[in-house]
Amino acid sequence: DQQVKQNSPSLSVQEGRISILNCDYTNSMFDYFLWYKKYPAEGPTFLISISSIKDKNEDGRFTVFLNKSAKHLSLHIVPSQPGDSAVYFCANNDMRFGAGTRLTVKP
Amino acid sequence: ETGVTQSPTHLIKTRGQQVTLRCSSQSGHNTVSWYQQALGQGPQFIFQYYREEENGRGNFPPRFSGLQFPNYSSELNVNALELDDSALYLCASSLPGKETQYFGPGTRLLVL
Repeated sequence: DQQVKQNSPSLSVQEGRISILNCDYTNSMFDYFLWYKKYPAEGPTFLISISSIKDKNEDGRFTVFLNKSAKHLSLHIVPSQPGDSAVYFCANNDMRFGAGTRLTVKP
Repeated sequence: ETGVTQSPTHLIKTRGQQVTLRCSSQSGHNTVSWYQQALGQGPQFIFQYYREEENGRGNFPPRFSGLQFPNYSSELNVNALELDDSALYLCASSLPGKETQYFGPGTRLLVL
């Protein structure tokens, strides 16, 4: 069962613009979501998280929004930088990961 | 503070063989989880160990087994290897009750 889905395998944005990565989930029982970033030849690294008692969490250039009624969360990166180019995974606290979105930020 | 390390980095095996992958947790982390990441997919949860006991398992057959040692290092053992076992195997450590996991760089296994 795919509890966490990322339907966009790739996203390309221009440096300085906003990147929006999306994630949908099916099981509201798991109420904590995390975003991880993965560079080639490295393991995923934790980026930002959000619990269901919030609808927004911000950390510098990164903001995660949670829409519980739509069972949807999104990660916003503003402004995007070339070093943000990586694969981004969303995950829930049941250790279910989405398939990932490859972000490419062009200079 | 050392991060999560895994060995070996790469491995080639043939169908039917057995393999052992190793992981050293981040200092102070007594919970370790193992994941399989096939090409183009996200990490799939195999199982988790906490204080040397299995503490949860994903949808993987019993030929995937694990161990956690008193120093919190761990092993993933896979018996009777199949071609579909070819993947990146990731381990991640965490503190109990904390959702954030710290991943190692992974072991890439190729089964021929």
